[in-house]
Amino acid sequence: DGGITQSPKYLFRKEGQNVTLSCEQNLNHDAMYWYRQDPGQGLRLIYYSQIVNDFQKGDIAEGYSVSREKKESFPLTVTSAQKNPTAFYLCASSNIDRGGPGNQPQHFGDGTRLSIL
Amino acid sequence: SQQGEEDPQALSIQEGENATMNCSYKTSINNLQWYRQNSGRGLVHLILIRSNEREKHSGRLRVTLDTSKKSSSLLITASRAADTASYFCAFVSSNDYKLSFGAGTTVTVRA
Repeated sequence: DGGITQSPKYLFRKEGQNVTLSCEQNLNHDAMYWYRQDPGQGLRLIYYSQIVNDFQKGDIAEGYSVSREKKESFPLTVTSAQKNPTAFYLCASSNIDRGGPGNQPQHFGDGTRLSIL
Repeated sequence: SQQGEEDPQALSIQEGENATMNCSYKTSINNLQWYRQNSGRGLVHLILIRSNEREKHSGRLRVTLDTSKKSSSLLITASRAADTASYFCAFVSSNDYKLSFGAGTTVTVRA
């Protein structure tokens, strides 16, 4: 079955440590996204990518970094510069039509819950 | 980015009843989407309605869009316990192509 796999499901970060969240998709989608979800809130966009080796900052990119070396993979690194990293992180992917990626439904993984030790 | 506002924040209904939730936004949009999120899981896409559409159906779901009032509603008919989840609207502004999400409506269906 096609889908998006996020790992790990739970992650703990020590102070001063960088951690990397994995996201892999086998849906052959061009666009991939990372969102942050805080309790009782909607999703906020961290980074997105429409093509391999290219990505753009979303609304809350500070303290995060990404790479897109393969179409299937879009890992997110939460750096030590992100002072409040505790949240639920969701990865998504979508097709792109001529109107842009926002015109297509997004498919989500089951998230990674990150906490501070 | 502009976020939508959803109303109500929470809704509790009896199994078999209908559930209605609303979403308002402030910009011109290309489309509006509704997603469901079960506790601790990712979001699942339900319906996408384009700015030139007024109503769309999918099974027990009915979505309306009123661009003059900048609002949308999601109706779930004959609710089931399995419909218990948070429901989010998300929209794409006309001058952008990223999704902006509302804070969600938490629906509890009592057996």
